Amino acid sequence: DSGVTQTPKHLITATGQRVTLRCSPRSGDLSVYWYQQSLDQGLQFLIQYYNGEERAKGNILERFSAQQFPDLHSELNLSSLELGDSALYFCASSGGLAGVGAYEQYFGPGTRLTVT
Amino acid sequence: QKEVEQDPGPLSVPEGAIVSLNCTYSNSAFQYFMWYRQYSRKGPELLMYTYSSGNKEDGRFTAQVDKSSKYISLFIRDSQPSDSATYLCAMSVSGGYQKVTFGIGTKLQVIP
Repeated sequence: DSGVTQTPKHLITATGQRVTLRCSPRSGDLSVYWYQQSLDQGLQFLIQYYNGEERAKGNILERFSAQQFPDLHSELNLSSLELGDSALYFCASSGGLAGVGAYEQYFGPGTRLTVT
Repeated sequence: QKEVEQDPGPLSVPEGAIVSLNCTYSNSAFQYFMWYRQYSRKGPELLMYTYSSGNKEDGRFTAQVDKSSKYISLFIRDSQPSDSATYLCAMSVSGGYQKVTFGIGTKLQVIP
């Protein structure tokens, strides 16, 4: 058990809908990362937050947004869902020091999103 | 061309074999090199990370980085059926506010 929790485990929804995925980092970790994993693309970095602020951005679609709250949990919002958004979404956390720890990330169990 | 290339396998080996997993990359600015293990339907788990070139050993696992060739390897000695998983290499330019780029992962099966 990595100490990172994600809810829900599974989510089935229809095209055009909006969903929110939730992540709680390990105790003491200030950085949260979001990833999308699909069979053909592998694990793709979406976005990183550190102590509530956005710090790095990957290939995140404009339909997707995230935030990190004062209690350090994070939410990933996916809107106007398309069939191609079906994937595993992972949250990871690292570090307590600013600017350190991207190389030592702890992943949650993931949320499996199915868009029908 | 992807920044990080990794053969997806699958790779099947007999129990006790030495396993060699590899990745190549194109971005010469990468400084941190990581290996993650992912069991089916689970999140990736960090095995080890290396900064810059050289070797690092942890039990049955050895990571090697050759920056001149842009090539990294993970060796597993005395492989066990419990090592059956997907192994992902990952790299980043810095340790901090920087995206981490993952390989697609190599699926390994260790046959008893």
